[in-house]
This record gives sequence, structure tokens and C-alpha cells, in this order.
Amino acid sequence: NAGVTQTPKFRILKIGQSMTLQCAQDMNHNYMYWYRQDPGMGLKLIYYSVGAGITDKGEVPNGYNVSRSTTEDFPLRLELAAPSQTSVYFCASRMGTGGATFGSGTRLTVV
Amino acid sequence: RKEVEQDPGPFNVPEGATVAFNCTYSNSASQSFFWYRQDCRKEPKLLMSVYSSGNEDGRFTAQLNRASQYISLLIRDSKLSDSATYLCVVIYGSGNTGKLIFGQGTTLQVKP
Repeated sequence: NAGVTQTPKFRILKIGQSMTLQCAQDMNHNYMYWYRQDPGMGLKLIYYSVGAGITDKGEVPNGYNVSRSTTEDFPLRLELAAPSQTSVYFCASRMGTGGATFGSGTRLTVV
Repeated sequence: RKEVEQDPGPFNVPEGATVAFNCTYSNSASQSFFWYRQDCRKEPKLLMSVYSSGNEDGRFTAQLNRASQYISLLIRDSKLSDSATYLCVVIYGSGNTGKLIFGQGTTLQVKP
């Protein structure tokens, strides 16, 4: 049982490049989330999903897109990367009213 | 007003001390509440859920006050290994909205 798996763990992007951060969970959780955490700051919700085919914006969605075609996968797309998107990105999932399980994060630097 | 607010600290306490953190939330319809722990450069990990009647897990006690819209975490007999950032988390709104919102975290440093 792998839990929540995020890839890649580290990535350096040049300004204007695009990339997809992958997130997969094997716990059959219906809810999935993407957060970003800037140095010394709290977690900000980017997008979330309450089930396959359903996504919604969080607090800081600009510059990002998501899709949820299956229960297991919730990829986060960055288009036209900017230095302001340098951050640590965490994916999480949960079921019902329970707490969320997090992946180990992707550390992204945009130069 | 932020949806979930915490005092960022840091709280510097000696080993063996008792320390308490509070967290306030703005949406009175919020359904579920949690405390998470985050170590430096690591992912957050669930510490405990918070129930209306209050709940205890070893040295940790969580309380919920719905009337005043705050939750608390009490740590007794602090250990060096308790040094971390403690995050208050609220499932926002009623029903099945699913939005999970974090406070900014409270940093605890336990010193010998």
C-alpha cells in the first residue's frame, strides 16, 4: 500500500516552460488536494476534487490547472512557469470526514 | 479575516513543560477539525482529529469550542522530539464540500 505518491521529487524549470506534477493514491479516497507551501509559510490550497470528473478552485488557482479523470490520479499542470511558482507542492487525499494523507512533496524551482 | 488563524509563535519551552496552542476558524458550518504536525521540509502528518467532546491521545489533548469557533491542542510533559510546526486544519463548510483549509501553523521549540 503506497499511500499518496508524488512525482517528480525535485524539478528546475525555466521561466515560460510548462510541466505536470503527478499525484496518485491507492486508497480509493474520493477527495484529493493540491497545496503549495512557500518557505516559512503555511499551506495554500490550489485546487481540490471531491471525486472523479469534479474539480474546484482553492485559494490560489491562478497559473495552474487540474483534471481528475480517475479516482486514483490528480495531476497538476503548470503553464508558462513564473518565478512566483517556486515552492513545495503537496498532494493529499482523504475519505469521508477523515483526515488527509499527504505525499512527500515536489520541490519546484523556476529560474 | 483568514479562514483559519493560528499564532505562528515560536513557542520556546523547556523539556517537561505544558504548552497550549489555539486556532480560530471563521465558518460556523465547518464540520471536521484536525491537528497536524509538520517537521522541517517534510509533509504534514495527522496528529489527531478533534471531537466535540474533546479527546486525548497520550500527552496530547484536543478540544473544540463550537460556540467560540476555536480549537486547542495541549501538550503535556514536552519532549525534545515534539519540536515541530503544528497545523490546525478545518474541513470547510457543511455537507460534502470537501474543502480542507490549513492554518499557517504554530512553531514549537522544546529546549533541554
